[in-house]
Amino acid sequence: QEQLVQSGADVKKPGASVKVSCKTSGYPFSDYYIHWVRQAPGQGLEWVGCIYCNSGVTYYAQKFHGRVTMTRDTSISTVYMDLSSLTSDDTAVYYCARETSTWGTKDFDYWGQGTLVTVSS
Amino acid sequence: QTVVTQEPSLTVSPGGTVTLTCASSTGAVTSGSYANWLQQKPGQPPRTLIHSTSNRHSWTPARFLGSLLGGKAALTLSGVQPEDEAYYYCLLWFPDFWVFGGGTQLTVL
Repeated sequence: QEQLVQSGADVKKPGASVKVSCKTSGYPFSDYYIHWVRQAPGQGLEWVGCIYCNSGVTYYAQKFHGRVTMTRDTSISTVYMDLSSLTSDDTAVYYCARETSTWGTKDFDYWGQGTLVTVSS
Repeated sequence: QTVVTQEPSLTVSPGGTVTLTCASSTGAVTSGSYANWLQQKPGQPPRTLIHSTSNRHSWTPARFLGSLLGGKAALTLSGVQPEDEAYYYCLLWFPDFWVFGGGTQLTVL
């Protein structure tokens, strides 16, 4: 069955970078988009960006342009999100989610368990 | 900046019916917005109930209905159950990016 398993919690200092991984299984890796969504403590969901696992083409929210990089390793069906120049505002749970896109539908159907990234001096 | 607006909170009685809406600052929400509705309970990842305006998943109870209503995306819950108490988020597609609504806290009381 389809699964997205994320890397464990991480603590970073302000100004550092963090890399979160999302290992997928149970489906053809290259046929889908993987999105990253974050949720600050007590706050709502925020779309960070996505990567098309076939070509590696990425789309990022304007807010994160220049600070986020999404990559994939097709040999191990894993997607990565790298976020740089961290501040305390980046403290959040980061989720990966698969998008199934067919003619006429776009569906965020499977989600990872979330990765807590804490930015603290 | 594109903003997606939801009711911050709603209260419904068990067995009742409630409609949550999702509006876009850029104009009417259409089928081309591919509205997704997600449910999130404390300490859990989100779970998508409805995608592409009105399509349920196999895990989505039939009491959840997605639609377009008056230029907005809408999620109607009929015969509300206590376990429906949760946060609900809509997610809309704008070419090349997605935007979440601020979420609706649904209380079943």
